[in-house]
Amino acid sequence: AQKVTQAQTEISVVEKEDVTLDCVYETRDTTYYLFWYKQPPSGELVFLIRRNSFDEQNEISGRYSWNFQKSTSSFNFTITASQVVDSAVYFCALSEAKGGSEKLVFGKGTKLTVNP
Amino acid sequence: NAGVMQNPRHLVRRRGQEARLRCSPMKGHSHVYWYRQLPEEGLKFMVYLQKENIIDESGMPKERFSAEFPKEGPSILRIQQVVRGDSAAYFCASSLRPGGYGYTFGSGTRLTVV
Repeated sequence: AQKVTQAQTEISVVEKEDVTLDCVYETRDTTYYLFWYKQPPSGELVFLIRRNSFDEQNEISGRYSWNFQKSTSSFNFTITASQVVDSAVYFCALSEAKGGSEKLVFGKGTKLTVNP
Repeated sequence: NAGVMQNPRHLVRRRGQEARLRCSPMKGHSHVYWYRQLPEEGLKFMVYLQKENIIDESGMPKERFSAEFPKEGPSILRIQQVVRGDSAAYFCASSLRPGGYGYTFGSGTRLTVV
């Protein structure tokens, strides 16, 4: 069965600090997709990134960057120079594509608090 | 171009009543997924539907829960005879095609059972 582990339940940083959110996954599939979502206090889910298993290039988008390492089954997310608006719960997810289904398996999330 | 629309945003039901949650996918999306988020938990898959068909309902509770996605109109998640444990946020997502392309979530419906 597929599994996503976000070992950090809560992280608290001071504004402008860099912070890395860890995500470790388990799958037997050779083709899969990894996602990160942000859930701010308002409750909606905001898509951040989708990465397929064949693309191990790191990605940077503004202050956000992602490090995908198949060797360690990790897909970590770094926020550089954090801001108060980054405070949210962040979810890592893995797509499971079996029998025509495309469901996502989510980690339990990491609650990030950025203090002024 | 509206995103995935869920309504209502908040729903309060007394124990034993029925709850109906609606999801209108993004325009052109024919794949709909429902997820449930219990307090302090991540999201758990419930059901995956394409127009008029249930493809995967492996995450649906065996009793009281049903889902449909008719040819016309929104997808409906129906919970009969609600209990306190059904209190959760229910999210709907839609995609253009399998593979996670354009997998977009709605804002969710927060169900409270009193």
